[in-house]
Amino acid sequence: EAQVTQNPRYLITVTGKKLTVTCSQNMNHEYMSWYRQDPGLGLRQIYYSMNVEVTDKGDVPEGYKVSRKEKRNFPLILESPSPNQTSLYFCASTRFGTSTGELFFGEGSRLTVL
Amino acid sequence: TQLLEQSPQFLSIQEGENLTVYCNSSSVFSSLQWYRQEPGEGPVLLVTVVTGGEVKKLKRLTFQFGDARKDSSLHITAAQPGDTGLYLCAGAWRGSARQLTFGSGTQLTVLP
Repeated sequence: EAQVTQNPRYLITVTGKKLTVTCSQNMNHEYMSWYRQDPGLGLRQIYYSMNVEVTDKGDVPEGYKVSRKEKRNFPLILESPSPNQTSLYFCASTRFGTSTGELFFGEGSRLTVL
Repeated sequence: TQLLEQSPQFLSIQEGENLTVYCNSSSVFSSLQWYRQEPGEGPVLLVTVVTGGEVKKLKRLTFQFGDARKDSSLHITAAQPGDTGLYLCAGAWRGSARQLTFGSGTQLTVLP
């Protein structure tokens, strides 16, 4: 089954404790992206990657890091989480090369930073 | 960052009623997508529109792309409780390198 898998689905942590949210896709997609979703603000892009070793900032990259060492994986790293990073996070992927391609989303990771 | 305005933000209607959700931008889209998101899940693509004036139908859902490609609408006929969810429009602009900008979403509740 084609899917995007995120882990963990739920996480409560404390300010300053480094954490990683993993994302893996099994569709051989070149393009992967991370979004955060907050009430009234829709989905805002954090970082994206057009292929292995190619990453770029989205609209709200501050406080986040990513890496793309393998095509299927795109982890999101919070080096020193703060309460304003409490949010619902989504990873998504699509085939690169088309401007109208469907974004496939994971089920989301709800993060709470105390 | 291109801005994309979606309205209304919240909509609560009775089963059987019709509704329309709007998505507007001051810039010309190269394409526009509509997604639906249910609680605890990620958004799922409903439709992609590309051509100005284009109309696409998905059962009781009708999607329209403005002639100037700056706006789009989603019309639901005879809404059902199963239509309840968050509807998101997402626009791509020329030269945006596959970046989609999402609207803030419309939370639709259809009461039985």
